[in-house]
Amino acid sequence: EDQVTQSPEALRLQEGESSSLNCSYTVSGLRGLFWYRQDPGKGPEFLFTLYSAGEEKEKERLKATLTKKESFLHITAPKPEDSATYLCAVQGSSNTGKLIFGQGTTLQVKP
Amino acid sequence: GAVVSQHPSRVICKSGTSVKIECRSLDFQATTMFWYRQFPKKSLMLMATSNEGSKATYEQGVEKDKFLINHASLTLSTLTVTSAHPEDSSFYICSGSRAVSYNEQFFGPGTRLTVL
Repeated sequence: EDQVTQSPEALRLQEGESSSLNCSYTVSGLRGLFWYRQDPGKGPEFLFTLYSAGEEKEKERLKATLTKKESFLHITAPKPEDSATYLCAVQGSSNTGKLIFGQGTTLQVKP
Repeated sequence: GAVVSQHPSRVICKSGTSVKIECRSLDFQATTMFWYRQFPKKSLMLMATSNEGSKATYEQGVEKDKFLINHASLTLSTLTVTSAHPEDSSFYICSGSRAVSYNEQFFGPGTRLTVL
């Protein structure tokens, strides 16, 4: 069964304090791993798609990496506006387009 | 690009009534649309997948007669919650995808449903 586990559940950082969020997954035939950001009361906002182990993508203070078992979302020198819930999801080989989501990591960055 | 809208953003209804939620892809054609439900501080739970012009595929445990999904065009899908009850109160989110495989889903802003 496809499964996604994110850790930690919650993370508090001081502004400028870099850290990483983890997404561990088991999936039969990974077609893609997706990172989303969700603010309270809003829909998820697309950040990255990773397709194969070794791939990396960057956007401003965020960098996503992928191995065969997990993905990391590195946050460099975060700002208070980076506070949000970060969701990881995988798409397997079922070819239905279905995403399996993790429980999310809620990040709070204090000024 | 890849903007999805939902209407309404909030709805309050009485128990026993039906509520329709619209999901539109504004700047792309969504071959496939997905409907999710999210409980407070929980992740997204997929309810159903719909392809334009065909019947929706519902996830196990989701009542197809209660949650009616129509995907009438490549830019519009609707979710109708029939005979709503308080336990149907939730945050409903739709997403659209340009293709079934190897493609991101772009999410709408969500609809908060409260059933009294």
